[in-house]
Amino acid sequence: GENVEQHPSTLSVQEGDSAVIKCTYSDSASNYFPWYKQELGKRPQLIIDIRSNVGEKKDQRIAVTLNKTAKHFSLHITETQPEDSAVYFCAASTGGAAGNKLTFGGGTRVLVKP
Amino acid sequence: DSGVTQTPKHLITATGQRVTLRCSPRSGDLSVYWYQQSLDQGLQFLIQYYNGEERAKGNILERFSAQQFPDLHSELNLSSLELGDSALYFCASSVVPMGHSNTEAFFGQGTRLTVV
Repeated sequence: GENVEQHPSTLSVQEGDSAVIKCTYSDSASNYFPWYKQELGKRPQLIIDIRSNVGEKKDQRIAVTLNKTAKHFSLHITETQPEDSAVYFCAASTGGAAGNKLTFGGGTRVLVKP
Repeated sequence: DSGVTQTPKHLITATGQRVTLRCSPRSGDLSVYWYQQSLDQGLQFLIQYYNGEERAKGNILERFSAQQFPDLHSELNLSSLELGDSALYFCASSVVPMGHSNTEAFFGQGTRLTVV
């Protein structure tokens, strides 16, 4: 089955700096790659997603890049703010007849220091 | 509010007992997924149902079972509970029908299970 690895497990950045989280996946059939943000004690919430027919997607301070050949994708957060502090999860899914269950990476705890 | 409702929010029970966690998906969503999140851990996929049928299974213990009812709500049954089963259990739902492109999965607020 699919295996998703996520690095780093913790990331501390100064407010205003950029944060980058990287994920690799194993199943070349995966075609959907969402990123979720989970604040302490709350539900995971989608912040951005990308499909396999797109190499990059941007939404304000957040961007995601996908390299299908290398089977890795990354989340970039620019101009970080204290409210960006949370745990971020990447995920991959194949969809189709196999179902679209999300396989998650282990998570990255991001701390933005004021 | 994601539109996915999980009950109860908190559950404390003793080892060896059995509990049932309930999930009501967003209106119109046919797929329901269950995930387990232990303390400071990631989201482990347990099982997926689509329109009443089991679609995918993860590392779900034999002591755990689930089902999705005709009204699309789902229940996760955990039996012979052990201390290690203490975790946050999330339900998520999505609208995507089989064979179509993936869409966003919406998570409920979770059920925090504590086994003592």
